[in-house]
Amino acid sequence: DTGVSQDPRHKITKRGQNVTFRCDPISEHNRLYWYRQTLGQGPEFLTYFQNEAQLEKSRLLSDRFSAERPKGSFSTLEIQRTEQGDSAMYLCASSIGAGPNQPQHFGDGTRLSIL
Amino acid sequence: SQKIEQNSEALNIQEGKTATLTCNYTNYSPAYLQWYRQDPGRGPVFLLLIRENEKEKRKERLKVTFDTTLKQSLFHITASQPADSATYLCALNLDSGGGADGLTFGKGTHLIIQP
Repeated sequence: DTGVSQDPRHKITKRGQNVTFRCDPISEHNRLYWYRQTLGQGPEFLTYFQNEAQLEKSRLLSDRFSAERPKGSFSTLEIQRTEQGDSAMYLCASSIGAGPNQPQHFGDGTRLSIL
Repeated sequence: SQKIEQNSEALNIQEGKTATLTCNYTNYSPAYLQWYRQDPGRGPVFLLLIRENEKEKRKERLKVTFDTTLKQSLFHITASQPADSATYLCALNLDSGGGADGLTFGKGTHLIIQP
């Protein structure tokens, strides 16, 4: 039984570089979410998809952040012109349906470190 | 503004005792509340979901209560074991039929079960 998979697990890059993270959700899940988590905080919601449609992006932290889910399967999160403050764990989650009564299944995240 | 509060300090409990964690929220009227467990370096793992019309929900050694008058949920682990040591996160869904569908998390409570 494969869960949510994220790649890479760790990314170290210099300030100003672009980075892209990949998330493979559980195969039958049509909802996919991205969160950011900093040390000592709970995950912070960024954006989500219903199949290939991005239904909410106002929570993305700045216009340097963008996400895609081109065929309704895997998703990518890109950060352009990275800054020190972007250092965090980026988590992906998926759920089989919509609504607040659906548990979300999380991957183990990509830890981003900006030098 | 909307807010979720959890004991931000670590909670130390002796093995075999019951651990009780608190989640308080303000300015919400959630229909559902979720609890997750998170281990260091890993993504959150779903534990339990409770609806507003459910006073209590159980799963093995776990019990959750939901008091919408007090705007509080309590999470209990009975017969606690060292393997229960982790951070426990309370989460609410802001979905009101047209807005974001992501979860809003508290900061989490770090639970330590001492042998």
